[in-house]
Amino acid sequence: DAGVIQSPRHEVTEMGQEVTLRCKPISGHNSLFWYRQTMMRGLELLIYFNNNVPIDDSGMPEDRFSAKMPNASFSTLKIQPSEPRDSAVYFCASIRRNNDYGYTFGSGTRLTVV
Amino acid sequence: GQQLNQSPQSMFIQEGEDVSMNCTSSSIFNTWLWYKQDPGEGPVLLIALYKAGELTSNGRLTAQFGITRKDSFLNISASIPSDVGIYFCAGQGVHSSASKIIFGSGTRLSIRP
Repeated sequence: DAGVIQSPRHEVTEMGQEVTLRCKPISGHNSLFWYRQTMMRGLELLIYFNNNVPIDDSGMPEDRFSAKMPNASFSTLKIQPSEPRDSAVYFCASIRRNNDYGYTFGSGTRLTVV
Repeated sequence: GQQLNQSPQSMFIQEGEDVSMNCTSSSIFNTWLWYKQDPGEGPVLLIALYKAGELTSNGRLTAQFGITRKDSFLNISASIPSDVGIYFCAGQGVHSSASKIIFGSGTRLSIRP
């Protein structure tokens, strides 16, 4: 079991550039979550998918953020255009089945927007 | 919206000491979870609690789901250096979408040299 795989681990980009974060959930997990972690706001749920369908995107900060899950083994979180306040660690997590709360988190992507 | 108030924010302890931290909310929760995060990694689930009053252990860790369903605590006995990290409580509220949980702000545990 390779766990939840996120890429890249670190991303430094200039303000205004497009950023794409990637996640591969654990095989067989049917729910996927994107979280953002900052010192000020802690862990915030951005969006989550069940069976590749977005269920709740109320945590997405604004229209600059978008997420997709084209199939059961891949998801992306895109920020366009990026801003310095988007700097944070972005985590992806997946769970084994509906209503199982044992999230498995990836190692995160540390994003720095300069 | 629902919030989890976690305390203390940070603790410095001596190796071998017992540790206690808790989480409270003004809202009722159906599930309480405790996670640990090591530097540079994502949170890892330690204990999950599903019933009011439930007391569950995982090695040196013990957690309880409060009877009022508005609180939970985590105890660590005989702390060791690898216990250092950030501990998060998390919960699923009664009015939340299935599978959606919220996290507390974390308790940072450090061990005095």
